[in-house]
This record gives sequence, C-alpha cells and structure tokens, in this order.
Amino acid sequence: AQTVTQSQPEMSVQEAETVTLSCTYDTSESDYYLFWYKQPPSRQMILVIRQEAYKQQNATENRFSVNFQKAAKSFSLKISDSQLGDAAMYFCAYGEEGAQKLVFGQGTRLTINP
Amino acid sequence: DSGVTQTPKHLITATGQRVTLRCSPRSGDLSVYWYQQSLDQGLQFLIQYYNGEERAKGNILERFSAQQFPDLHSELNLSSLELGDSALYFCASSVVNGNYGYTFGSGTRLTVV
Repeated sequence: AQTVTQSQPEMSVQEAETVTLSCTYDTSESDYYLFWYKQPPSRQMILVIRQEAYKQQNATENRFSVNFQKAAKSFSLKISDSQLGDAAMYFCAYGEEGAQKLVFGQGTRLTINP
Repeated sequence: DSGVTQTPKHLITATGQRVTLRCSPRSGDLSVYWYQQSLDQGLQFLIQYYNGEERAKGNILERFSAQQFPDLHSELNLSSLELGDSALYFCASSVVNGNYGYTFGSGTRLTVV
C-alpha cells in the first residue's frame, strides 16, 4: 500500500521568512499526483498546490512552490514570505492516476512567529 | 464556502447510539469521499461513491455504512458508537476521481460520551 510520510510534526518560522515542509512517499507507480493541503484552525481542508508526476517542472502558486524529486520520492513545500495566515496543519497527499482515493500523511503543524 | 455541505457541524451522542452524517457534494461533482480524522491525526479514508455506486473502500468498520442517493448526496451511518469513534468526519467531492484533488466540506465533529 502507498504510504506518505511527513517527518516534521511541527515547524516554526518568523514572519516574512521562508520555510520548507518535507514529504516522502512510497509507490511503485509511474503516473500519480501529489498535493499539499492546508488545515487552519477552522478545520477546513484547503488545497494549496498540486503536482503531476509526469511533469518535471515544479508547481508554483504565488508564495507556495514545491520541490518534486521523483527518483527520491520526495515532495517538499516551500512557503516564501511567510504570513500569519499561513499558520496551519499542512498535509501532503498522494493519489494514483485515476485513483479513487488520496492517501494523506500525518501532517506538519506550522507556526508563524510575528 | 467550498460548495460541499456537511450537516450537522457538531454532534454529541452516547455510546451505543447510531448517528447519520449527511453530505451534499459540490455542484457537478459525481464522486463523494468520506474520511475520518481523529484528534491531531491524519485523514483516514473510509469509502468512496461515484454516481450512486460504491467505488473504493478503506478501513471502514463494519459498524459504519454509507450510501449515495440519486440526487448525489451521501450519508454516513455510524452505529453502536464507541468512545474511540469520536473524530472529525470529512466529506469531499470531485468530478470523477482524485486526479485534481478533492473539495472538502467543513466536517462534522462527532463526540461520543
């Protein structure tokens, strides 16, 4: 079964600085999708960014970017110019091509220090 | 508002009871997924329906069941509740599958006392 591992239970960063959250996954598939979701204190799950495994170019959404290393099965999230509103739990997720479910990691709690 | 509606938002019930959680997917989405999130844990996949049919099953307990109706709304039934069933239950929807991610509802917080 596919597994997703987030090795950092908690991270903190100063406001306006950059932070990187780590994620590794295990799969034997070649076509799949990776996601980062944000869960603020409101508990709502919000899609932050998506990466297609067949694309070598790293996805970027405004201040959020990923470093996708397919051979290493690594998918890290970089948040630039951190803002107080970025404080949340961040979940990495994996889904196979055409998969019926996403597999989520255990999450990383990000704190932003003013 | 994500477009996925879950009711109720909060539910407190006693052990041994049965509850029903309801989910209306985002307009146009045919797939509904149910996930369980225990305190400060990741999301555990329970079950998926596509256009009324069960498509995938995760580690869903036999005491739990679900269905998707012709109008595409879905219900998750939890019976013989135990203290350990206390969790946040999320419904999510997508057009067909998870290739583009899901849209999540705001969850139902279930507390079993």
